Amino acid sequence: GENVEQHPSTLSVQEGDSAVIKCTYSDSASNYFPWYKQELGKRPQLIIDIRSNVGEKKDQRIAVTLNKTAKHFSLHITETQPEDSAVYFCAASLNDYKLSFGAGTTVTVRA
Amino acid sequence: GAGVSQSPSNKVTEKGKDVELRCDPISGHTALYWYRQSLGQGLEFLIYFQGNSAPDKSGLPSDRFSAERTGGSVSTLTIQRTQQEDSAVYLCASSPYRTAGNTIYFGEGSWLTVV
Repeated sequence: GENVEQHPSTLSVQEGDSAVIKCTYSDSASNYFPWYKQELGKRPQLIIDIRSNVGEKKDQRIAVTLNKTAKHFSLHITETQPEDSAVYFCAASLNDYKLSFGAGTTVTVRA
Repeated sequence: GAGVSQSPSNKVTEKGKDVELRCDPISGHTALYWYRQSLGQGLEFLIYFQGNSAPDKSGLPSDRFSAERTGGSVSTLTIQRTQQEDSAVYLCASSPYRTAGNTIYFGEGSWLTVV
């Protein structure tokens, strides 16, 4: 089955700086890569996703890049704000089915 | 419309007792998932239902765990003879299952504590 590894497990950044989270996956057939944000005690919520037919996608301050050859994808958050503090999970799947999640990255934005 | 609804939101049970967790997916969503999240951990896939197809039970950790989905809508996850290691948040999710663009939406979860 699919195995997703996520790094780092914790990330502390100064407000206004950028944050980068990296994930690798094992199944070359995977073609859908979403990122979820989970605030303390809340449900995971989709913040951005990318499919294998594109290499980069941006939505305001967040962007995701995908390198299918190397089987890795990354989340970039620019101009971080305190409300970006949360746990972020990457995931991979084939045809949007049965997401395999990374272990999560706890992001803390220092004011 | 309403999101994925789960009940109970919190459950404390004694070791050895059975528990049932309920999930009401978003109306019209044909795909339904159960995931488990242990404290400080990632999300572990348990089971997947899609329409009338046989469910994918490959993630269920033991035969104490079972799930059903009645009428293609509401699902119940049952844990028999609960153990302390079953303590976790059980998250249900649903998606519309199109050929592309299937955003998966999570419920708030059922927090299970086995004492």
